[in-house]
Amino acid sequence: DIVLTQSPDSLAVSLGERAIINCKSSQTILYGSNNKNCLTWYQQRPGQPPKLLIYWGSTRESGIPDRFTGGGSGTDFTLTIDNLQAEDVALYYCQQCYGLPRTFGQGTRVEIK
Amino acid sequence: QVQLQQWGAGLLKPSETLSLTCAVSGGSFSGYYWTWIRQVPGKGLEWIGDISHSGPTNTNPSLKSRLVISIDTSKSQVSLNVTSVTAADTAIYYCARARGYNPHLYMDVWGKGTTVSVSS
Repeated sequence: DIVLTQSPDSLAVSLGERAIINCKSSQTILYGSNNKNCLTWYQQRPGQPPKLLIYWGSTRESGIPDRFTGGGSGTDFTLTIDNLQAEDVALYYCQQCYGLPRTFGQGTRVEIK
Repeated sequence: QVQLQQWGAGLLKPSETLSLTCAVSGGSFSGYYWTWIRQVPGKGLEWIGDISHSGPTNTNPSLKSRLVISIDTSKSQVSLNVTSVTAADTAIYYCARARGYNPHLYMDVWGKGTTVSVSS
C-alpha cells in the first residue's frame, strides 16, 4: 500500500497568515496519461464529511477560494492556505488515487493562534 | 445539486452484517463511480471500495472477504454490506461520488455519514 505521511500533525496560525501542510508519499504517484500527480486534498470541519479542495495535485475544485493552493512533485506535496480565515479551522487530509487501495494521510489539524 | 442520502442500522452485535444504502438525487448516476469510506471516531479515513454501473468494483483487500458492494441503477442507489462485524468496524461510514479515470478516482460529493457501532 502507498503510505502518505502528513506533517505537522497540527499547527496554529494567526488570522490572515499562511498555513502550509505537507504530505509525503512512500512512492511516486504520477499518472502517466495526464502527467499529473494523483494527489487530492480534503477539508473536514467538525461534525461534517470531508470536502474536496484540490485534485490532480494542484487543480482547485469549483467554488474553492484561491487561498487554497496545492503543489509539489515526486513524493512531496503541499497544501498552502493563504490569508487564513476563521472558517479554515479544520482537519486536512491528503489522499492518493494512484494505486489501490486508495489511502489517506493521517490528517493535519489547523487552528487559530 | 447532487445529494447523497444514506441510511442503515446504526447498532450491531458482533458477527452481524452491516448494511447501508446510499440514494443519489439531483444529478447523473450512471456517469460516475460511487465510493464507500469509513472513519473511526477521532481517527483517519479508510477507503472501503467503489462501484459503477459499467466498470469493475474496486475493494480494499483488508475488507474484501467480508465485503459486498452493489448497485441498483433503476433506483440510483448503491449498497454496502460487511459481514461478521467486530468492534473494529465501529466507524462513521460515508458514501461519496467519485470521478477521475478508474481506478484513479477522487471523491467530490459526500454524504453526511452514518454512524455504526458494534457492541455486544
